[in-house]
Amino acid sequence: QSALTQPPSAFGSPGQSITISCTATSSDVDGYKYVSWYQQHPGKAPILIIYEISKRPSGVPDRFSGSKSGNTASLTVSGLQAEDEADYYCGSYVGGNNFVFGTGTKVTV
Amino acid sequence: QVQLVQSGAEVKKPGASVKVSCKASGYSFSSYGVSWVRQAPGQGLEWMGWISAYNGNTNYAQRFQGRVTMTTAKFTSTAYMELRSLRSDDTAVYYCARWMNELDASRLNLEFDYWGQGTLVTVSS
Repeated sequence: QSALTQPPSAFGSPGQSITISCTATSSDVDGYKYVSWYQQHPGKAPILIIYEISKRPSGVPDRFSGSKSGNTASLTVSGLQAEDEADYYCGSYVGGNNFVFGTGTKVTV
Repeated sequence: QVQLVQSGAEVKKPGASVKVSCKASGYSFSSYGVSWVRQAPGQGLEWMGWISAYNGNTNYAQRFQGRVTMTTAKFTSTAYMELRSLRSDDTAVYYCARWMNELDASRLNLEFDYWGQGTLVTVSS
């Protein structure tokens, strides 16, 4: 099973920027084109904030951006706000109608 | 608007089965698949598998194969996930999520854009 590794935690002050990495440990991650990111507040369902590496669904602030370099995808949150404090998960389609989530990162503002 | 509404919390004994429902509205149910994702207390998200609402095809994550069955009922736009032989480590919140548009090759929707509210399944003797 493919795996996506994220740092367990990230910290930033209000107004600062943070970047969370998501590294594929397997080469069979379908070209790593279909990376998505999810924000989850305690006790709530996850919310999609980035899809296809860098696209934002409508309603998601442009403070959230995604990118990819090689086998590592990244989520950047600019202009951190208190409400950005949450858990963040990357995920990727890995072919054959399979999906894998990253290990998750707890962001503290 | 798109909504996925799940059934309520369940308490089960070890060895029992649980069946969680997920009723969809606000979109063409048959056009998208449904995935199930679970989250054990204090843990991360775990993908369990997918079912096509178009033709009923399924794909289950390897660790759940033989223990999980996903089905749909097109007339009620409802997806179901049944997990058998429950163990204490199956205690988790189970989510359904819309995933994969099989009818639009230009936009496959390989991300979870809408989620149910979650169903807590507690396995305890």
